[in-house]
Amino acid sequence: AQTVTQSQPEMSVQEAETVTLSCTYDTSESDYYLFWYKQPPSRQMILVIRQEAYKQQNATENRFSVNFQKAAKSFSLKISDSQLGDAAMYFCAYRSAEALGKIIFGKGTRLHILP
Amino acid sequence: DSGVTQTPKHLITATGQRVTLRCSPRSGDLSVYWYQQSLDQGLQFLIQYYNGEERAKGNILERFSAQQFPDLHSELNLSSLELGDSALYFCASSVGIGGNYEQYFGPGTRLTVT
Repeated sequence: AQTVTQSQPEMSVQEAETVTLSCTYDTSESDYYLFWYKQPPSRQMILVIRQEAYKQQNATENRFSVNFQKAAKSFSLKISDSQLGDAAMYFCAYRSAEALGKIIFGKGTRLHILP
Repeated sequence: DSGVTQTPKHLITATGQRVTLRCSPRSGDLSVYWYQQSLDQGLQFLIQYYNGEERAKGNILERFSAQQFPDLHSELNLSSLELGDSALYFCASSVGIGGNYEQYFGPGTRLTVT
């Protein structure tokens, strides 16, 4: 069975600084997707960034980028120029491309932005 | 706005009761997923429907059931409620079935069991 592990329950970063959230996963599948979701106080699940396992190039969305290390099964999220609106719970997630599409989530990392 | 709607937003009920949560997928989406977010279990997949048929089950209790109707909206029924069922219940939808299709999450229904 696939698992997703986020080892940092909470992190803090100074506004305008850079922070990296860690995530590791375990799977025996070769074709899958990895995601970072943001959950602000409103509780809405917002997709931040997506990575296809078959792509070697790391995904980037504006200030958000990932470091995808497939052999190490590591998928970290880097947030550059942190803003107050980035404060939220961040979930790392896995979805098989071979199965029916359920998403497996990590336990989450709560990110605090210090002004 | 993801285009997925869920009602009600909040629900407060007593132990032993039964409730129904409703989800309307995005226009054109045939697949609906239900997820539960609780303090104990985190975010976990419950069940998936595609075009009216159940296609996958996760950690869904026997006291819970779901269905997807011909108009593609879905309902999650929770019965004999316990305090531990208090959680945020999300619905997500996608165009097709399978991991290649993006899922769009609704705003969730917050269930409080007292």
